[in-house]
Amino acid sequence: AQTVTQSQPEMSVQEAETVTLSCTYDTSESDYYLFWYKQPPSRQMILVIRQEAYKQQNATENRFSVNFQKAAKSFSLKISDSQLGDAAMYFCAYRSYYTGTASKLTFGTGTRLQVTL
Amino acid sequence: NAGVTQTPKFQVLKTGQSMTLQCAQDMNHNSMYWYRQDPGMGLRLIYYSASEGTTDKGEVPNGYNVSRLNKREFSLRLESAAPSQTSVYFCASSFVNRAGQPQHFGDGTRLSIL
Repeated sequence: AQTVTQSQPEMSVQEAETVTLSCTYDTSESDYYLFWYKQPPSRQMILVIRQEAYKQQNATENRFSVNFQKAAKSFSLKISDSQLGDAAMYFCAYRSYYTGTASKLTFGTGTRLQVTL
Repeated sequence: NAGVTQTPKFQVLKTGQSMTLQCAQDMNHNSMYWYRQDPGMGLRLIYYSASEGTTDKGEVPNGYNVSRLNKREFSLRLESAAPSQTSVYFCASSFVNRAGQPQHFGDGTRLSIL
């Protein structure tokens, strides 16, 4: 079974600065997908970014980018030019490539990000 | 443009009471999922339905039952609620066999069992 580990329960960043959230995972599979979800106080789960394991290029979405190190099984999220609206819980999630008929996700325990003025 | 809709948003139950959480999606997704979120533990899969007419256990199925009523609706039932089931419950949906397609989540149901 796959496991996802987020070793930073809480992080803090000043507005306009850059912060990196860590995620490591354990799997014996060679093909899979990785996701970062954001959960603000409203409780919504919002997809931030997605990475396909077979792609060497790191995914980027505006101010959000990942550092995907497949050999190290590491998938960190970098938030540039942090904004107050980035304050939320961030979850890393893993999905097998070959899941038959379902796309089950395995989540990490989350990192709470605070953004200060 | 509702996406995934969960009802109710909040509920308080007494131990032993039964309760059904409702979930509906309007994105024509094949697969639907129920998760629970507990402090410090992330989201854990309770049950999922890969397609209409099928359901399977996830990581923490004990104490729950599900029904995939049709393609749109997937309900979660607590037959005899226990304090250990106090949690926030999320329903999600996705396309099946569409590589990398993310799951879309509802807003969650906060359930407290006294």
